Amino acid sequence: NFMLTQPQSMSESPGKTVTISCTRSSGSIVSSYVQWYQLRPGSAPTTVIYEDNQRPYGVPDRFSGSIDSSSNSASLTISGLRTEDEADYYCQTYDISTHVVLFGGGTTLTVL
Amino acid sequence: QLQLQESGPGLLKASETLSLTCTVSGDSIIGRYFWGWIRQSPGKGLEWIATISHSGKTYYNPSLKSRVAISVDTSKNQVSLNLGSVTAADTALYYCARQYPYNWNPNWVDPWGQGALVTVSS
Repeated sequence: NFMLTQPQSMSESPGKTVTISCTRSSGSIVSSYVQWYQLRPGSAPTTVIYEDNQRPYGVPDRFSGSIDSSSNSASLTISGLRTEDEADYYCQTYDISTHVVLFGGGTTLTVL
Repeated sequence: QLQLQESGPGLLKASETLSLTCTVSGDSIIGRYFWGWIRQSPGKGLEWIATISHSGKTYYNPSLKSRVAISVDTSKNQVSLNLGSVTAADTALYYCARQYPYNWNPNWVDPWGQGALVTVSS
């Protein structure tokens, strides 16, 4: 199986924009959809992006997802950062040949 | 609104078998969705464990496959997970979740349950 690599931590100020990357180690990033999840302590994980760039109902348009074939990576961009965006973010996809679900290592986002 | 509630032993000893149950409310588990289990060990990231399709096809994490079994009880609207020969490394928060399939692949995970904390003592 391939791996998904994310930066371990990122920090940005309120009101700014941050982009979290998720790089696939082998195989094409476009061969399977990428999702992004937000984890806050004490709360169930929630989806902020599904199928590369789709936002679930209720997720603000400050959250956006994209795919870059040239770098074989997916990205989650959060604009107009708020303190409540402080959380762990995980990317996720699946291996179409083995039907295995894979998560990235997670990125801790600090907003201060 | 779909809700998922995990239940389990909380604490067990090394070498025992972990049994977890996920009770689904707000929708029938007989449908077009898949159902899965994911865990997060203390201080670590998310790890997919297993998924079962609406037709009963199972998918397992290769690193856990020899110890894991996932099943559904349609009469109770429940999804269950058994993990055998547990060790301290299996200490984690275990989440039950619905998965949207894509071309028979376990795809998007949503929603997630609140999670059940399992501690394995040596």
